[in-house]
Amino acid sequence: EPEVTQTPSHQVTQMGQEVILRCVPISNHLYFYWYRQILGQKVEFLVSFYNNEISEKSEIFDDQFSVERPDGSNFTLKIRSTKLEDSAMYFCASSRPGTASDRGYGYTFGSGTRLTVV
Amino acid sequence: QQQVKQSPQSLIVQKGGISIINCAYENTAFDYFPWYQQFPGKGPALLIAIRPDVSEKKEGRFTISFNKSAKQFSLHIMDSQPGDSATYFCAASKHLNKFYFGSGTKLNVKP
Repeated sequence: EPEVTQTPSHQVTQMGQEVILRCVPISNHLYFYWYRQILGQKVEFLVSFYNNEISEKSEIFDDQFSVERPDGSNFTLKIRSTKLEDSAMYFCASSRPGTASDRGYGYTFGSGTRLTVV
Repeated sequence: QQQVKQSPQSLIVQKGGISIINCAYENTAFDYFPWYQQFPGKGPALLIAIRPDVSEKKEGRFTISFNKSAKQFSLHIMDSQPGDSATYFCAASKHLNKFYFGSGTKLNVKP
């Protein structure tokens, strides 16, 4: 079954440093998302991306965050100057257009990147 | 504003028993209600989903009951097994764009 792949699985960074989290969505998917899950809390939407632009973003997704699809396969989340409170699991997801089904356009999550800011 | 409220926070069930997790939502425009299963260190995996035009959806041991008038939906796991021990999240979406997740239920199925 196709998977959304995220790298690295775990990243430790110093406060104030820039980090880039990488995702390879499923190949025929056109919609891309980032979510965040602080330890022990619920999964929260950060941003959605379609046709090379942000389609929606949450209040969490401030100027410190940016997303990019630099080539035909990767989708990245950049945090410009990390803060302690950015420590969380970051999940990438992707979905495809087409006929709606109970499987929700194949909306699939990756296994996540655990970001630890020290 | 909490769009999706989930309860209980944790649940202990004996093997073979029924696990029931409940969610309530705010926005009547939501049109897709999935349940996700998450094991430690893994991403959420779609378990089962329902649209508001049906009141019940069953897939194997997993059933979603949906009450549109009450704006509530629940997950029932029949014949619960130790392998079902995980955290379960309900979610809601409008037009399959962003998902609003519940706070999660940690299920522990005792052998």
